Amino acid sequence: DTAVSQTPKYLVTQMGNDKSIKCEQNLGHDTMYWYKQDSKKFLKIMFSYNNKELIINETVPNRFSPKSPDKAHLNLHINSLELGDSAVYFCASSPNGERLHFGNGTRLTVT
Amino acid sequence: RKEVEQDPGPFNVPEGATVAFNCTYSNSASQSFFWYRQDCRKEPKLLMSVYSSGNEDGRFTAQLNRASQYISLLIRDSKLSDSATYLCVVTPWEYGNKLVFGAGTILRVKS
Repeated sequence: DTAVSQTPKYLVTQMGNDKSIKCEQNLGHDTMYWYKQDSKKFLKIMFSYNNKELIINETVPNRFSPKSPDKAHLNLHINSLELGDSAVYFCASSPNGERLHFGNGTRLTVT
Repeated sequence: RKEVEQDPGPFNVPEGATVAFNCTYSNSASQSFFWYRQDCRKEPKLLMSVYSSGNEDGRFTAQLNRASQYISLLIRDSKLSDSATYLCVVTPWEYGNKLVFGAGTILRVKS
């Protein structure tokens, strides 16, 4: 029944590693997003896809690469992890680019 | 100047109090406005949309002032369960599906 699900919920890894976070939505929405919430709780958009097409790409290091195999999935791959990447990453979907339905978040800790 | 600014608080109020938050936005072309609520270590959830004519949902009232570029949220008869972070969200017209979040205002309702 979960509308937007992301895995894993917690991710602890060392600097320099490569990791992926997966997101799936069963709401039939066309638009999906990745947001990053840092230690100061500021929620900032990273990417947005509409029907598998990248439409928003904020100033994010190239180490972050989103992939959308279909409109129900938007995964986030991060290469060469750095300490500053530690944050909570939220996936979200929307039917119309306005109301967002968020996943539970992935708490990434880079040591 | 940040796109969306909020007083971070915290606002510490007793049960039953009325509390109001303001949020200012920098882009005069912004089209859509929302209040989201985020509980500790949880994902943000839509509380209410904000319409030009103002709107009310139970104990919550949202107002939009386009001339001064701010939106407000009024909570009447505060409950302990209202304790959360309230996020102001704006959709700048030229960014299409992009929602810009404020850093949030912390509300703590105490018995």
